[in-house]
Amino acid sequence: KAGVTQTPRYLIKTRGQQVTLSCSPISGHRSVSWYQQTPGQGLQFLFEYFSETQRNKGNFPGRFSGRQFSNSRSEMNVSTLELGDSALYLCASSPPRNTEAFFGQGTRLTVV
Amino acid sequence: EDKVVQSPLSLVVHEGDTVTLNCSYEVTNFRSLLWYKQEKKAPTFLFMLTSSGIEKKSGRLSSILDKKELSSILNITATQTGDSAIYLCAPDPFQGGSEKLVFGKGTKLTVNP
Repeated sequence: KAGVTQTPRYLIKTRGQQVTLSCSPISGHRSVSWYQQTPGQGLQFLFEYFSETQRNKGNFPGRFSGRQFSNSRSEMNVSTLELGDSALYLCASSPPRNTEAFFGQGTRLTVV
Repeated sequence: EDKVVQSPLSLVVHEGDTVTLNCSYEVTNFRSLLWYKQEKKAPTFLFMLTSSGIEKKSGRLSSILDKKELSSILNITATQTGDSAIYLCAPDPFQGGSEKLVFGKGTKLTVNP
């Protein structure tokens, strides 16, 4: 069974640009969550999608958004990038009625 | 606000030593607590604890939850260099069926040969 796949693995963007990250969950998993990981703040919850609906959202500005498609694949978008958005963005999928989250390898975003 | 504190933040030991990592939490509607190991990028699942006082074991790793003290510990016996990683604790605050984990900042374990 394939794991959670995130693309791209690495990304360098300039301040003010926008970026879209993609996540394909494990087959059969309908819940997809996104996390931001920085050295100072650790892993912080961004949002969670289930059946194309955002079920929960963390404390991040509106520049961070996401969506989920009918095949459970998810994308997150960050607009007007700031230097502080440089981080590892991790996506996790969860099986039905189970809290255990399976993580992808992440996308390392660097904003210059 | 949900809060998770892990200690120590960093630990350096020699192969063969036994270590205990601590996690204390304050979350609303606590449902379970998960432990993850992060070596390079993707955190990998270790344990999920839902009941107080019941130890879960996997090889040299074991973990236990104390709901009264709002804490959990992760023990690693006979450590190996391959145990070097960041260990993350994540309580799950039940929020209407939503899957959201609140992570601590982790304990960075370094095992020297």
